[in-house]
Amino acid sequence: GEDVEQSLFLSVREGDSSVINCTYTDSSSTYLYWYKQEPGAGLQLLTYIFSNMDMKQDQRLTVLLNKKDKHLSLRIADTQTGDSAIYFCAESVNDMRFGAGTRLTVKP
Amino acid sequence: NAGVTQTPKFQVLKTGQSMTLQCAQDMNHEYMSWYRQDPGMGLRLIHYSVGAGITDQGEVPNGYNVSRSTTEDFPLRLLSAAPSQTSVYFCASKGSADRDYNSPLHFGNGTRLTVT
Repeated sequence: GEDVEQSLFLSVREGDSSVINCTYTDSSSTYLYWYKQEPGAGLQLLTYIFSNMDMKQDQRLTVLLNKKDKHLSLRIADTQTGDSAIYFCAESVNDMRFGAGTRLTVKP
Repeated sequence: NAGVTQTPKFQVLKTGQSMTLQCAQDMNHEYMSWYRQDPGMGLRLIHYSVGAGITDQGEVPNGYNVSRSTTEDFPLRLLSAAPSQTSVYFCASKGSADRDYNSPLHFGNGTRLTVT
């Protein structure tokens, strides 16, 4: 099975907050990442968190890390239609391992 | 500043044909890699390279070959295409050859391959 797991779909209304969740299995992961993929494009790094941190905030993005439960989340405040994309969680152990991606749809 | 460039963007092959997917980066990155993206399965690592002349297998290497004769280029070869290789292929690079170093991967825009 997947080492990194995410739900496949999330739909929110414009202006609401979006929360995308991820679980990983390798406790030795040093860094955990969130990437964004827009249609027809490659993945772009959104943000990352070092494994000794609990939270990281970057403008509208908040990353929470619960190492005990191996749970990572990405919160997007005031979600806009331009945030519609696929969001990938990834862990870095020896290689980068990606989840299947969560497709975020933002409705006006 | 081109970053990571992949060609072609689209390709249709018949079973048994061979082809090479091209990847070039102009950032002088040591580390380069190939992933395939399939619905519901995320990205899976095919092959990677930590520098010119050095390549290694990833999670799903069967049916693919790579070489790294220069720092800039990392082509992926399909010797005898199969329908199971229908996928979107991404090339990625990063600055440090240390795979655990916090250096983000830079991705190309992908090659969509269909094998009939």
